Amino acid sequence: RKEVEQDPGPFNVPEGATVAFNCTYSNSASQSFFWYRQDCRKEPKLLMSVYSSGNEDGRFTAQLNRASQYISLLIRDSKLSDSATYLCVVNTGGFKTIFGAGTRLFVKA
Amino acid sequence: DAGVTQSPTHLIKTRGQQVTLRCSPKSGHDTVSWYQQALGQGPQFIFQYYEEEERQRGNFPDRFSGHQFPNYSSELNVNALLLGDSALYLCASSSSGIGPYGYTFGSGTRLTVV
Repeated sequence: RKEVEQDPGPFNVPEGATVAFNCTYSNSASQSFFWYRQDCRKEPKLLMSVYSSGNEDGRFTAQLNRASQYISLLIRDSKLSDSATYLCVVNTGGFKTIFGAGTRLFVKA
Repeated sequence: DAGVTQSPTHLIKTRGQQVTLRCSPKSGHDTVSWYQQALGQGPQFIFQYYEEEERQRGNFPDRFSGHQFPNYSSELNVNALLLGDSALYLCASSSSGIGPYGYTFGSGTRLTVV
């Protein structure tokens, strides 16, 4: 089993749609969780950290479920500019941070 | 405020050769992590350097080695290159581990082994 698993997609959605991504992790001792965004042939960039109580940043909402060992990302009112690969990132404790393979999102007009 | 700087941006090497990639972390960051990203995959953790020591390593062979200098900059060395080493190599900097703010990535070095 992979340490961090994501549905690779692609998710094809129209502008204005709401889309959700899930990610599961295998190490129950994991401590820190993040969502990164990566545009084609570019470096990953931090989208948001994920907190136990859940957190929101504009159209983006992240949730953490420690009991089921998954995190989620919800994007509301999708924009064309949201088209990218979304990477789930987990710090497994110690100094090792694991990236999922990413979920590709295409938002179409 | 300079972000993470990586050099070179692109590199073509022949099988069996050796390569050195360089990274200067973001100002104020003291930790450097290296990742390998093959096409269509997520970044794979190679190792992390802090206080000039390798303090964690991923599942990469000993052909992959690194170094961190007193100014926190870092090098990634790969010996005996294989075709499968072709990838985007990303350097990520942070302050004393990952902390709550995640990593800042450089734009990467795209290595092609022929």
